[in-house]
Amino acid sequence: DAGVIQSPRHEVTEMGQEVTLRCKPISGHNSLFWYRQTMMRGLELLIYFNNNVPIDDSGMPEDRFSAKMPNASFSTLKIQPSEPRDSAVYFCASSLSTGKVSPLHFGNGTRLTVT
Amino acid sequence: AQTVTQSQPEMSVQEAETVTLSCTYDTSESDYYLFWYKQPPSRQMILVIRQEAYKQQNATENRFSVNFQKAAKSFSLKISDSQLGDAAMYFCAFGDTGRRALTFGSGTRLQVQP
Repeated sequence: DAGVIQSPRHEVTEMGQEVTLRCKPISGHNSLFWYRQTMMRGLELLIYFNNNVPIDDSGMPEDRFSAKMPNASFSTLKIQPSEPRDSAVYFCASSLSTGKVSPLHFGNGTRLTVT
Repeated sequence: AQTVTQSQPEMSVQEAETVTLSCTYDTSESDYYLFWYKQPPSRQMILVIRQEAYKQQNATENRFSVNFQKAAKSFSLKISDSQLGDAAMYFCAFGDTGRRALTFGSGTRLQVQP
């Protein structure tokens, strides 16, 4: 089991640039989550998908953020244009959702720095 | 909305000793799950232990155990025989069957002194 794979591990970009973060969930998992971690706000849910369909995007900060899941094995989180306040660690997680609450399996995160 | 509170920003324990990390939550749901995650400096999020609310028996995983008090909405983590490798941030998390995403507390940084 390769686990959840995120890329890149680090991203440094200038304000105004487009940033795309990528995630490959664990094979067979049907739910995918994007979280953001900052010192000030902790771990915040941005959006989650179930069977590739966005279920709750209420945590997406604003229109500059968008997420897609074109198939069961790939998801992207895009920020356009990026701003310094977007600097954070972005985690992708996946789970096999049944009737119960399943634990989330996290990737290693992408540390984004916007200068 | 559910909330998860970890009131101890930092804790310290001597190697081989026992430490307890606190977590309280607020919910109107009756069917839910609670988790503890560990985040070492590598920033990887590692599941430590989970508890199903309908189970009265406290969960145990080797040196890690929980004290689940449903009426008090309390879910503390006990680490026995602490090891240097236990040093990390620990996050308490809540999930209910109506919403698959987990809500996390603000975390407790645990230091282990040799």
